[in-house]
Amino acid sequence: RKEVEQDPGPFNVPEGATVAFNCTYSNSASQSFFWYRQDCRKEPKLLMSVYSSGNEDGRFTAQLNRASQYISLLIRDSKLSDSATYLCVVRNFNKFYFGSGTKLNVKP
Amino acid sequence: GAGVSQSPRYKVAKRGQDVALRCDPISGHVSLFWYQQALGQGPEFLTYFQNEAQLDKSGLPSDRFFAERPEGSVSTLKIQRTQQEDSAVYLCASSLALGANTEAFFGQGTRLTVV
Repeated sequence: RKEVEQDPGPFNVPEGATVAFNCTYSNSASQSFFWYRQDCRKEPKLLMSVYSSGNEDGRFTAQLNRASQYISLLIRDSKLSDSATYLCVVRNFNKFYFGSGTKLNVKP
Repeated sequence: GAGVSQSPRYKVAKRGQDVALRCDPISGHVSLFWYQQALGQGPEFLTYFQNEAQLDKSGLPSDRFFAERPEGSVSTLKIQRTQQEDSAVYLCASSLALGANTEAFFGQGTRLTVV
């Protein structure tokens, strides 16, 4: 079983839509959680860290449920520029474990 | 530049050839990671350095893969006798000493194609 599991998508949504991605992780001892964004043929870049109490950054909201080992990302009012692959990332000691990514296509 | 720098950006190798991939981390970053990313997949962990010490190499797929960071800064990933299945993007990342919510910063990667 992979350390981090994500729905690969793609999610095809119109501009202005709200879209949610989910991710589960297998190791209950995992310490830190992140969402990274990766554009085609580019490197992953940090979108936001995920805190136990949930956190928001503009149109993006991240939630963590440690009991269920579940992480989510909500994007409100989608923009064309949000089209990318979103990687769920979990850190366990000295390793960052990546999900396979969820592809988002925002259409005009 | 202030980011993680990798070279070369692209490498085409004939099967059986040895290759060396270089990573220049962000200055002052203690931790350095190598990842392998196949098309359509997330990055897979290869190895981790803390300064010059290679603390974890559990992700290296075979003994043809070797990484070093002799002075605790620049790192080299070497692949001997390349095979077609080694074709992937090799990503290097660095971070400050690992603590709560310490993020990793990635370089642009080296795209290796073995023909």
